[in-house]
Amino acid sequence: QKEVEQNSGPLSVPEGAIASLNCTYSDRGSQSFFWYRQYSGKSPELIMFIYSNGDKEDGRFTAQLNKASQYVSLLIRDSQPSDSATYLCAAHTGGFKTIFGAGTRLFVKA
Amino acid sequence: EAGVTQFPSHSVIEKGQTVTLRCDPISGHDNLYWYRRVMGKEIKFLLHFVKESKQDESGMPNNRFLAERTGGTYSTLKVQPAELEDSGVYFCASSQDEASIQYFGAGTRLSVL
Repeated sequence: QKEVEQNSGPLSVPEGAIASLNCTYSDRGSQSFFWYRQYSGKSPELIMFIYSNGDKEDGRFTAQLNKASQYVSLLIRDSQPSDSATYLCAAHTGGFKTIFGAGTRLFVKA
Repeated sequence: EAGVTQFPSHSVIEKGQTVTLRCDPISGHDNLYWYRRVMGKEIKFLLHFVKESKQDESGMPNNRFLAERTGGTYSTLKVQPAELEDSGVYFCASSQDEASIQYFGAGTRLSVL
């Protein structure tokens, strides 16, 4: 089992819709969770981070964490074509090593 | 403020040659990390420096890889001798402390032919 698992996609949504990206992790000792956006050929760019159970909102983005289910998600409201990218879920373990998922490709159709 | 910079952006070498990648972290960031993404796979942790000390090098694939951070500033990652399976994108990241957000460089794309 991969330590951080994501559906590779592609996930295709129409412009203006909500995109829902999901991630599960296996290490219950993971303490914090990150969503990165990576455009093709570019470096990963931090979108959101979350430490506590529940929801965390920042503009059009909402991160959700459920530690009991070992589940993290990212919702993107009012999706735009510029949101088209690969979204990487990452977990910090107790040793502060970052474990990445393989990423989900998102396409937002105009 | 300058971000994390990596050099070169792309390196093409032949199997058996040596390549050295460089990373300059954000000024003042004691923590420096190396990651690697090979084709179609997830980004994998290689190692973590705190200042000039190796805090965790559990992700280093084998002894052909040598990372250094003399003086606790920039870091180099040397691959000697390079093998075909070393091809991929090598990312460097830095953070202020271990629990802080990591900022990534643009990566070095290494192609071993």
